[in-house]
Amino acid sequence: SQTIHQWPATLVQPVGSPLSLECTVEGTSNPNLYWYRQAAGRGLQLLFYSVGIGQISSEVPQNLSASRPQDRQFILSSKKLLLSDSGFYLCAWSVSNNQPQHFGDGTRLSIL
Amino acid sequence: ILNVEQSPQSLHVQEGDSTNFTCSFPSSNFYALHWYRWETAKSPEALFVMTLNGDEKKKGRISATLNTKEGYSYLYIKGSQPEDSATYLCAPIGNTDKLIFGTGTRLQVFP
Repeated sequence: SQTIHQWPATLVQPVGSPLSLECTVEGTSNPNLYWYRQAAGRGLQLLFYSVGIGQISSEVPQNLSASRPQDRQFILSSKKLLLSDSGFYLCAWSVSNNQPQHFGDGTRLSIL
Repeated sequence: ILNVEQSPQSLHVQEGDSTNFTCSFPSSNFYALHWYRWETAKSPEALFVMTLNGDEKKKGRISATLNTKEGYSYLYIKGSQPEDSATYLCAPIGNTDKLIFGTGTRLQVFP
């Protein structure tokens, strides 16, 4: 069966520090991968998605970047965090857009 | 850009009551709609993926309908139970090929 792992579960970082959140999927090949953020009082916003190794699409201008160094690994990064980067980050995978997305447990990121 | 609206924003019902929520979106350039349930301290869980006008899906006491011509989907819960308490998210997919999530309907079922 397929599983998705996302870590860490919570993270407290100072403004200006770097960020690296990791997501890995097991039990499937060549999945579509997604990074979402839920800011306080808002819905899930798609940040990045990837249909293959090295292929990253960015949805909104922001202080973040994503990379897919391996087929089932998706990394969310920042060189310098801003206060506005606080939120709940979710990684997800799917076979296609006509199939459901499967989410990780999320990372609660607090910027101080 | 799809603007997705869900109503009501929150809902409190008694155990045993039936309830329904609405998801509205622009009807053009659409080809699928997802429903997810998001329980507190858990990750979102897929309920349905709907692709056809008039499509109806059912999973236990939960069902959903889709009207692509007028741009809405309904989610119904029959005989609500406390374990149904969660935020219900809809996410249509338009010509951008990406899910656009609504802000959700937060359901609380009281015993």
